[in-house]
Amino acid sequence: DGGITQSPKYLFRKEGQNVTLSCEQNLNHDAMYWYRQDPGQGLRLIYYSQIVNDFQKGDIAEGYSVSREKKESFPLTVTSAQKNPTAFYLCASNEAMGGPNTDTQYFGPGTRLTVL
Amino acid sequence: AQSVAQPEDQVNVAEGNPLTVKCTYSVSGNPYLFWYVQYPNRGLQFLLKYITGDNLVKGSYGFEAEFNKSQTSFHLKKPSALVSDSALYFCGAYNFNKFYFGSGTKLNVKP
Repeated sequence: DGGITQSPKYLFRKEGQNVTLSCEQNLNHDAMYWYRQDPGQGLRLIYYSQIVNDFQKGDIAEGYSVSREKKESFPLTVTSAQKNPTAFYLCASNEAMGGPNTDTQYFGPGTRLTVL
Repeated sequence: AQSVAQPEDQVNVAEGNPLTVKCTYSVSGNPYLFWYVQYPNRGLQFLLKYITGDNLVKGSYGFEAEFNKSQTSFHLKKPSALVSDSALYFCGAYNFNKFYFGSGTKLNVKP
């Protein structure tokens, strides 16, 4: 899972609560991503950021928010507006365009969120 | 719409037999293609990628993938499967700074 850490590994939340998932990378990558994984549905992009202080919505951004105040950090907040938040969340990063490994994403170990 | 398809939800193979996990893509231009593997409750691990050149790409853990431009396919292969290869495999494509992933194929290798 080289260079990307996610915490916690398991997270339990009560309905109506916001919760923040951590993602940190020490790869000096400019771009970072959040994906949601549900059984049989593969990876769905929630948010991504190509540079500090800038981010864009992915395919399923509703009910989620992010910030990118530092290059190495891209926390994801799952808000109470997200109707079905129970899932496995993956953070990823890659070099910015022009780098030798722009085309390769590196993934963190994931956080499993369960809403009780 | 750009997409990557993995037509098989699950592939079953006996240990020692060759395996193939299929992938086709519909992404404009000349996308880079890649495979990742995921073990339970873990992140995705990079296996291999195709950028250009030889249509047969060799990667980690004895895996290889064959690129076929006319069929827009990038099938993952291994000559002799191991029980430890049992995992979820994702095919993907990269073009114009965007990543596209297939839905994943679960590989079961039985002893």
